[in-house]
Amino acid sequence: GENVEQHPSTLSVQEGDSAVIKCTYSDSASNYFPWYKQELGKRPQLIIDIRSNVGEKKDQRIAVTLNKTAKHFSLHITETQPEDSAVYFCAASKGDKLIFGTGTRLQVFP
Amino acid sequence: GAVVSQHPSWVICKSGTSVKIECRSLDFQATTMFWYRQFPKQSLMLMATSNEGSKATYEQGVEKDKFLINHASLTLSTLTVTSAHPEDSSFYICSASRGHYGYTFGSGTRLTVV
Repeated sequence: GENVEQHPSTLSVQEGDSAVIKCTYSDSASNYFPWYKQELGKRPQLIIDIRSNVGEKKDQRIAVTLNKTAKHFSLHITETQPEDSAVYFCAASKGDKLIFGTGTRLQVFP
Repeated sequence: GAVVSQHPSWVICKSGTSVKIECRSLDFQATTMFWYRQFPKQSLMLMATSNEGSKATYEQGVEKDKFLINHASLTLSTLTVTSAHPEDSSFYICSASRGHYGYTFGSGTRLTVV
């Protein structure tokens, strides 16, 4: 089955700096790669997603890149703000179940 | 937008009792629901996939007799934790597949077994 690895597990940045989180997946049939932000005790919130027919997608300060050959995808957050502090999860799906990465705790210091 | 309503949001039960968690899709038909468990500071681990009108498919290591899943209609899936023990205390969350539109999550249920 699908296995998704995520790095780093924790990430601390200064406000205004960029943050990058990386994920690798094992199942080459996976074709949908969402990123979620989760506050403590809350449901995951979709922040951006990408499908396998696209190499890059951007939404304001957030971007995701996908390398199908290497089976990895990355989340880029630019101009980080304290409110970006949260746990971020990548995930992968081939149209059925969604498998999550291990999570990254991002802390943005003012 | 698509909404999945999950109840209860939190529950405390005594060891040995059973607890039922409901997930209801409010404005769309969810033919497939996924149930996840999340321990503190850990990821969401898929427990099972439930399809309307058929038996659930459980992930390896998940006891199907302990975690009973019923998906009797296109809008309702339930997870029953039977004979709960303190180690079952966790955050349980459902998710409905919406095909090309991705996944919609319930708000989660915090289960504490005492």
